[in-house]
Amino acid sequence: VMTQSPATLSLSPGEGATLSCKASQSVRKNLAWYQQKPGQAPRLLIYGASTRATGIPARFSGSGSGTEFTLTISNLQSEDFAVYYCQQYDNWPPLTFGGGTKVEIK
Amino acid sequence: EVLLVQSAVELKKPGDSLRISCEASGYGFSIYWISWVRQMPGKGLEWMGAIFPADSDTRYSPSFQGQVTISADKSVRVASLQWNSLKASDTAIYYCARTWGSDSYHMDVWGKGTTVIVSS
Repeated sequence: VMTQSPATLSLSPGEGATLSCKASQSVRKNLAWYQQKPGQAPRLLIYGASTRATGIPARFSGSGSGTEFTLTISNLQSEDFAVYYCQQYDNWPPLTFGGGTKVEIK
Repeated sequence: EVLLVQSAVELKKPGDSLRISCEASGYGFSIYWISWVRQMPGKGLEWMGAIFPADSDTRYSPSFQGQVTISADKSVRVASLQWNSLKASDTAIYYCARTWGSDSYHMDVWGKGTTVIVSS
């Protein structure tokens, strides 16, 4: 089970965001992060816990291993307000997503 | 350009059968998994299952095993998700996503999603 917190994060543009994802058992570094904006498909941000996907800005960074992971977004831009999901792929099936964290404009 | 193209909307009645498709282009279709992901209205992402087109190896989430069928035709580069008898609770957006293998099963390319509406 993947648990994300907080459910909602209210921040202003320019601030930093710290999103948490916890696994019920170790997933080593086999974790990805996705961003989803309203009416759009999810977009891969990070895989391998810390490797940015192609074209993802450096203000997005991932860290962690085992059961605790963090997605950090520095200097929030207007286009960063969205829902973020973590996904483990250490032991499948199934691949499992967290419940999501909504980053909203304060 | 790597693309996954899905039909936009399907409107069905309870009890109907349905197959939705995901047409891939721009990459070696057979050598990546294709996952299907459900998103119910206002809810999060749920992985349903995946298929490896090269040999049709298919894995299902226990939550969806027996409820849907995933298939692929590598000759036309299309993956499909099928229901035999739809329920109102199947109303959702269904995404297909290219999924890497080699112990790194992340989803790097997504289709725009097919909205399935099941209503009498």
